[in-house]
Amino acid sequence: QVQLVQSGPEVRKPGASVKVSCKTSGYTFNNYGITWVRQAPGQGFEWMGWFGTHNGNTHYAQRLQGRVTMTTDTSTSTAYMELASLRSDDTAIYYCARGCRTTWCPLDYWGQGTLVTVAS
Amino acid sequence: ETVLTQSPGTLSLSPGDAVTLSCRASQAVNTNYLAWYQQKPGQAPRLLIYETSTRATGVPDRFSGSGSGTDFTLTISRPEPEDFAVYYCQQYLGSPPTFGGGTKVEIK
Repeated sequence: QVQLVQSGPEVRKPGASVKVSCKTSGYTFNNYGITWVRQAPGQGFEWMGWFGTHNGNTHYAQRLQGRVTMTTDTSTSTAYMELASLRSDDTAIYYCARGCRTTWCPLDYWGQGTLVTVAS
Repeated sequence: ETVLTQSPGTLSLSPGDAVTLSCRASQAVNTNYLAWYQQKPGQAPRLLIYETSTRATGVPDRFSGSGSGTDFTLTISRPEPEDFAVYYCQQYLGSPPTFGGGTKVEIK
């Protein structure tokens, strides 16, 4: 069965960076893109960006441009999202989700989420 | 950016009471690019509906979606106890894709 398993919770100080992993299984990794979404405490969802696993293309949310980097390791079918220059308002649960070969897809399988806390 | 406004914020109902959730967009959304998700406390979202009205794999037929233009709805015809959750709409064509703020469906 399709599974996306994310890394554990992280605590960082303002200005630091964090890298979250998303290990996938149960499907052909390169046939589907990976989207990252975050949810601040008690809030709705913010789309962060998409990674095209078949071609390495990326599409990042404009407000995160320059701070977010999405990558993959196809040998382990794992996706990564790194966010730099962390601020307190980056505190959120970060989700990876399976999409498709374009940005324009519903998200049919999600990871369990990774809580990132930014505090001094 | 397309803003999605969901109403009401919270709905209180009894199991078996049909319910309709609203999602209104700030500009027209192509019906091929509108989805609904269900989220329970402490869990990741679950895809329910995509392309406005197509149920995702394994979703019961008591869930249905409809709409066009700027107005979309999710209907739960006979809510079961496990359907009490928060529901989010999403448009996934715009740049960026955006989500509504959610409607919480709770037991009366």
